[in-house]
Amino acid sequence: EDKVVQSPLSLVVHEGDTVTLNCSYEVTNFRSLLWYKQEKKAPTFLFMLTSSGIEKKSGRLSSILDKKELFSILNITATQTGDSAVYLCAVLGGSNYKLTFGKGTLLTVNP
Amino acid sequence: DAGITQSPRYKITETGRQVTLMCHQTWSHSYMFWYRQDLGHGLRLIYYSAAADITDKGEVPDGYVVSRSKTENFPLTLESATRSQTSVYFCASSPEVTYGYTFGSGTRLTVV
Repeated sequence: EDKVVQSPLSLVVHEGDTVTLNCSYEVTNFRSLLWYKQEKKAPTFLFMLTSSGIEKKSGRLSSILDKKELFSILNITATQTGDSAVYLCAVLGGSNYKLTFGKGTLLTVNP
Repeated sequence: DAGITQSPRYKITETGRQVTLMCHQTWSHSYMFWYRQDLGHGLRLIYYSAAADITDKGEVPDGYVVSRSKTENFPLTLESATRSQTSVYFCASSPEVTYGYTFGSGTRLTVV
């Protein structure tokens, strides 16, 4: 059975802190790993990672994949209150190339 | 409007009733998906479709029925709603099997 595990499940930080969110996976036929941000509504796409060691960056957010150790991290530097959300990790793979999601990390950034 | 839309946004129904959640996308994406999101479980795949008239079960299909007669529509039907089906339901679409998904805004369903 395909499995995606995120840690921590929740995190509370102060504005300006740097956070690292973790995602480990066990998926057959791995194709890619995706990060989504979910506020009140639908998950919105952040990154797709397919190759090990290549950092994807968007503003204060960055992510990297390690296909040997089967994990990814999402870094957020200089956090802002607007970063408060659930961050979802999902892996595309399995017998029919479907997205399997982790349970998410709830990030709360306090002013 | 372009994009993926779900309706209704909110629905309250009684146990035993049939209810249909609608999903419509304007991109002509081949792949469409239904997920439910529950506290402690995250997003779980109910059903997916690779094209019109092709559907398959996901992780939690029991109690649900889908159809896809047209590429743009992928309705989800709860044949006889139960309280355990109270959840937030998300529809998603993707042009290719190896692409990420784009999600609709969700339907919050309460079964009383």
